[in-house]
Amino acid sequence: AQTVTQSQPEMSVQEAETVTLSCTYDTSESDYYLFWYKQPPSRQMILVIRQEAYKQQNATENRFSVNFQKAAKSFSLKISDSQLGDAAMYFCAYSSLQGAQKLVFGQGTRLTINP
Amino acid sequence: KAGVTQTPRYLIKTRGQQVTLSCSPISGHRSVSWYQQTPGQGLQFLFEYFSETQRNKGNFPGRFSGRQFSNSRSEMNVSTLELGDSALYLCASSREGTGSGYTQYFGPGTRLTVL
Repeated sequence: AQTVTQSQPEMSVQEAETVTLSCTYDTSESDYYLFWYKQPPSRQMILVIRQEAYKQQNATENRFSVNFQKAAKSFSLKISDSQLGDAAMYFCAYSSLQGAQKLVFGQGTRLTINP
Repeated sequence: KAGVTQTPRYLIKTRGQQVTLSCSPISGHRSVSWYQQTPGQGLQFLFEYFSETQRNKGNFPGRFSGRQFSNSRSEMNVSTLELGDSALYLCASSREGTGSGYTQYFGPGTRLTVL
């Protein structure tokens, strides 16, 4: 079974600075998808970024980018120019390509933005 | 395009009762997955439906059940409620259910409190 680990329960960053959230995963599969989701206090889970394992190029969405290291099974999220609206719980998630649609989530990292 | 909707948003029940939660996926999405979120256990996969068939189920007791209708709307039912069933229940939909790892989009959740 796949597992996802986020080793940083909490992180904080000054507004406009850059922060990196860590995620490692364990799988025996060679092809899969990885995601970062954001859950603000409203509790709505919002997709931040997605990475296909077969793509070597790291995904980027505006101020959000990932560092995908397939051999190390590492998938970190970098947030540049942090904004107050980025404050939320961030979840790393794994999706297999086999079988049903099922996300395996990490424990989450609570990100605080200091003004 | 309208997002995933869940009703009701909040529920208060007493032990021993049963409850039904509803989820309407994004138009055109045929896969619906359910997750339970608690402070202690985090986000856990309940089950996934595609074309009215349950394709996978997480490690939950038989008191948790679900179904999907021909219009892809889904319901989950919890019978004989226990205090530990208090949680945020999240529904997510995705465009295809072929296990290809299509992105899941989440609804706002139903907050269930069992007294």
